[in-house]
Amino acid sequence: RKEVEQDPGPFNVPEGATVAFNCTYSNSASQSFFWYRQDCRKEPKLLMSVYSSGNEDGRFTAQLNRASQYISLLIRDSKLSDSATYLCVVNSHDSNYQLIWGAGTKLIIKP
Amino acid sequence: DGGITQSPKYLFRKEGQNVTLSCEQNLNHDAMYWYRQDPGQGLRLIYYSQIVNDFQKGDIAEGYSVSREKKESFPLTVTSAQKNPTAFYLCASSVTGVYGYTFGSGTRLTVV
Repeated sequence: RKEVEQDPGPFNVPEGATVAFNCTYSNSASQSFFWYRQDCRKEPKLLMSVYSSGNEDGRFTAQLNRASQYISLLIRDSKLSDSATYLCVVNSHDSNYQLIWGAGTKLIIKP
Repeated sequence: DGGITQSPKYLFRKEGQNVTLSCEQNLNHDAMYWYRQDPGQGLRLIYYSQIVNDFQKGDIAEGYSVSREKKESFPLTVTSAQKNPTAFYLCASSVTGVYGYTFGSGTRLTVV
């Protein structure tokens, strides 16, 4: 089993729709959780950290369910510019300096 | 502006050659990292360094080597022992730990 698993997609979504991604992680001791965005052939960029109580940043909402060991990302009122690959990232239990990366979910927003 | 610079953007390696990828940061970050990304896979950690003159192996260090002689610089050498080096290589830095990651724009290495 992979340490961080994501549906690879692609998710094809019309502009203005709401889309949700889930991610599961295997290590119950993980403490830090993130969503990164990666455009085609570019470097990843931090979208948002995920906090236990859930957090929102504009059209983006992240949730953490520790009991079920999954993280979710909700994008409301999707824009063409949201088209990218979304990477779920969790800290490694071995080191405070290591992150474990999911393979990403590809999102395509269609006009 | 502060940031991380990776060079070159594209690199072609012949079989049996060693090549060195450059990574320089002016963010005054203590920690630096090298990742490899293959199509359809998550980033995998090659090496990381928490402080000058010290570095640790990541999950896929075989066939790679690094040095950290200066805080600003963390070059990665892909040796001939790395049998499948074609990939996208990303350098990152952070103030400390897993927070505040900043990535360079990456180097695409291809074996010809």
